[in-house]
Amino acid sequence: DAGITQSPRHKVTETGTPVTLRCHQTENHRYMYWYRQDPGHGLRLIHYSYGVKDTDKGEVSDGYSVSRSKTEDFLLTLESATSSQTSVYFCAISEDSVGYNSPLHFGNGTRLTVT
Amino acid sequence: AQSVAQPEDQVNVAEGNPLTVKCTYSVSGNPYLFWYVQYPNRGLQFLLKYITGDNLVKGSYGFEAEFNKSQTSFHLKKPSALVSDSALYFCAVSSPGYSSASKIIFGSGTRLSIRP
Repeated sequence: DAGITQSPRHKVTETGTPVTLRCHQTENHRYMYWYRQDPGHGLRLIHYSYGVKDTDKGEVSDGYSVSRSKTEDFLLTLESATSSQTSVYFCAISEDSVGYNSPLHFGNGTRLTVT
Repeated sequence: AQSVAQPEDQVNVAEGNPLTVKCTYSVSGNPYLFWYVQYPNRGLQFLLKYITGDNLVKGSYGFEAEFNKSQTSFHLKKPSALVSDSALYFCAVSSPGYSSASKIIFGSGTRLSIRP
């Protein structure tokens, strides 16, 4: 497996609390992504990063923020968790933005439950 | 906007029979197309990609996919299914001409079930 570690692997939190998920890579890839996976929706892009301190929104970014202060770390924050954010969150990395040189490599996911 | 569709939520095949998992796409410009597989409690794993060249691409675990530009399709195939092929399969698309976000878009997934 590519060197991608997501933490925590599982988390249960209450509505209204802040939550931060971490993605750490050892591949020195430029691009990092946060996806959420929900039944019937496949994977949907939340935010992505194209370099240190360079981030942009995906298709489902409302309620989420990200930060990338180092190449290897990409943090996803739910400012005030809601039940609709119960999901499995995947971090992915790639050498380029469109998969030409290398495909996406995924972490093993974080299962988040908001009660 | 680019998009990808997997019209079948589930595909059931007997072991030893050929399998096909369907994918169609919409993109401006030339498509980059991918197939990924997901096993339980794991992240997605890359199977194969089409960037340019031969319309039939071969990938991991004996899978192959055929790019059809006129039908905007990229169906995943395997000549003889194994029980161990049972998993969730995702088609994905991107394009170097997609200017605003440079991102890879996934289909909703197809669950492949191979019965012994």
